[in-house]
Amino acid sequence: KAGVTQTPRYLIKTRGQQVTLSCSPISGHRSVSWYQQTPGQGLQFLFEYFSETQRNKGNFPGRFSGRQFSNSRSEMNVSTLELGDSALYLCASSSWTGPGFEQYFGPGTRLTVT
Amino acid sequence: KNEVEQSPQNLTAQEGEFITINCSYSVGISALHWLQQHPGGGIVSLFMLSSGKKKHGRLIATINIQEKHSSLHITASHPRDSAVYICAVRDGETSGSRLTFGEGTQLTVNP
Repeated sequence: KAGVTQTPRYLIKTRGQQVTLSCSPISGHRSVSWYQQTPGQGLQFLFEYFSETQRNKGNFPGRFSGRQFSNSRSEMNVSTLELGDSALYLCASSSWTGPGFEQYFGPGTRLTVT
Repeated sequence: KNEVEQSPQNLTAQEGEFITINCSYSVGISALHWLQQHPGGGIVSLFMLSSGKKKHGRLIATINIQEKHSSLHITASHPRDSAVYICAVRDGETSGSRLTFGEGTQLTVNP
């Protein structure tokens, strides 16, 4: 099976702009989670989508949003970019392997906001 | 106090040494993950466990649910083991796959 893919891999944006990142999960996986990684805060959970519905949401402002399509591909959007949004954005698709979800991470999108 | 705490933050070892990284958590969990992140960002899941012990090659992970503590051991360490090791937990109350992460342990193994 192909792994999790994320596009683009690198992105440079200016403050105030918006950005859309894409994630294609492993075939058959219906759950996609998004994470932000920064040197100061480490890895933080953004949100999770399951079968096109947001199942969980982390503690991020409303500028961060996402969606999932019927083919399980997911996008996240950040509007009105701030310098502090510079980070590595990772998505993970997961499958239930009781007692938890085995997670498979994509390579990430490195966003730089100038 | 973070929900998930790792120690040490940084670890330098000589090739062949036995390495232990510790993780303590404060919430009730359903599963604990050990992840490996190499420079460049890619994250690989090493283990997911909810009790006892798991072994894969030179890596061993243990968890003590009562003490809310897990350890990752690397036997016969090698320079290619140099990476950041991250402990993450799935809260027992959550319905999804949401993880809460420790700050990571930067491991450097010198030849």
